[in-house]
Amino acid sequence: DIVMTQSPDSLAVSLGERATINCKSSQSLLYTYNNKHYLEWYQQKPGQPPKLLIYWASTRESGVPDRFSGSGSGTDFTLTVSHLQAEDVAVYYCQQSYSVPPTFGGGTKVEIK
Amino acid sequence: EVQLVESGGGVVQPGGSLRLSCEASGFSFDNYWMNWVRQVPGKGPVWVSNIKLDGITTSYADSVKGRFIISRDNAKNTVYLQMNSLRVDDTGIYYCARDRLGEYTFDTWGQGTVVTVSS
Repeated sequence: DIVMTQSPDSLAVSLGERATINCKSSQSLLYTYNNKHYLEWYQQKPGQPPKLLIYWASTRESGVPDRFSGSGSGTDFTLTVSHLQAEDVAVYYCQQSYSVPPTFGGGTKVEIK
Repeated sequence: EVQLVESGGGVVQPGGSLRLSCEASGFSFDNYWMNWVRQVPGKGPVWVSNIKLDGITTSYADSVKGRFIISRDNAKNTVYLQMNSLRVDDTGIYYCARDRLGEYTFDTWGQGTVVTVSS
């Protein structure tokens, strides 16, 4: 199984500042036949299910604010929340869909400083 | 409105059985792969199983293979998870999740149903 490792475990960011979350996979998530990275990002608020934010490493899901962006390649990926808002307080998870079983990272908790 | 509603969770002793249901609405259910994902509060989600459009092709996590059975009834817009020989480490919130792309990308989740396996 592909192991997904997120860092940091938690971070506190001031309102309006940038939050950066890292995710590393134990093998490349690039499918060369279509040049896509099979990496997703989810946001989970307390008492709610995860919500899809980003797929194919950098494609924003419909309705997701453009302050959320994904980047990276190969085995190293980043979720950036620019201009953090109060409603962005949540746990963020990365997930690989490159191979079965799909696997998730351990999560990064984002709080307001 | 696209919606998934799970039911069937509860408290069961080790070795017992439960059947979870997930009723879909607001979309063409028979056009999507469907999945079950488990999460222990404070931990990352863990994929459990999925079922493809034909209702025959299924996949399972190694931890549940041989004990859990996923099925779907497209006429009822419902996916099921029959859970047998339950273990303490099967405890968690079980979410039903839609796979929009057929690539294990989960674009819609239910609110979850809680399963507790305890003696």
